[in-house]
Amino acid sequence: DTEVTQTPKHLVMGMTNKKSLKCEQHMGHRAMYWYKQKAKKPPELMFVYSYEKLSINESVPSRFSPECPNSSLLNLHLHALQPEDSALYLCASSQAGLAGIGWTDTQYFGPGTRLTVL
Amino acid sequence: SQQGEEDPQALSIQEGENATMNCSYKTSINNLQWYRQNSGRGLVHLILIRSNEREKHSGRLRVTLDTSKKSSSLLITASRAADTASYFCASIRGSRLTFGEGTQLTVNP
Repeated sequence: DTEVTQTPKHLVMGMTNKKSLKCEQHMGHRAMYWYKQKAKKPPELMFVYSYEKLSINESVPSRFSPECPNSSLLNLHLHALQPEDSALYLCASSQAGLAGIGWTDTQYFGPGTRLTVL
Repeated sequence: SQQGEEDPQALSIQEGENATMNCSYKTSINNLQWYRQNSGRGLVHLILIRSNEREKHSGRLRVTLDTSKKSSSLLITASRAADTASYFCASIRGSRLTFGEGTQLTVNP
């Protein structure tokens, strides 16, 4: 099974709402990632979890709160978002945890959650 | 900011033709990867080339890497309508995977 699943597929929320995005993989991967992608732009890294610990936070605003409850699950909690946060949110996983220089893992991406903030 | 730049930004060809996309990067890398993204969906890993390799093949894909010029190219031979997608190069820089701006490929039947 080389699948990364993400729910929901689409999400519309108001600026005062609290919602969560969910990502799941059963490949035994120990690194999981959140990316944000705006239309016609490449994905931008938001967070990296390695062995269930937050390893990288790319200066993401605190209205985005990641959580890794176990090695198969990754959540992204959303609160008080702005309309400019509307984007495709992609989850990915890779086999090994971060190893610094020499890290060569292939990342497997989920289909994404299309988020619209009104 | 994104490390890679790709050209062309958009490419439109007929089925059966070859498509070549180029990618340049700014800093030293351990490897370079190419991904495909169908409209509004997740990315699919296509091929990885290590910094000590110059060329790699996978099916109809051929990737080259020139570390002296900090550039890579992706060639898709005998293109099909199903190859229509955005193609991104991605380089490992430190512990991060950084994507280029991407090439939108359209293959017309």
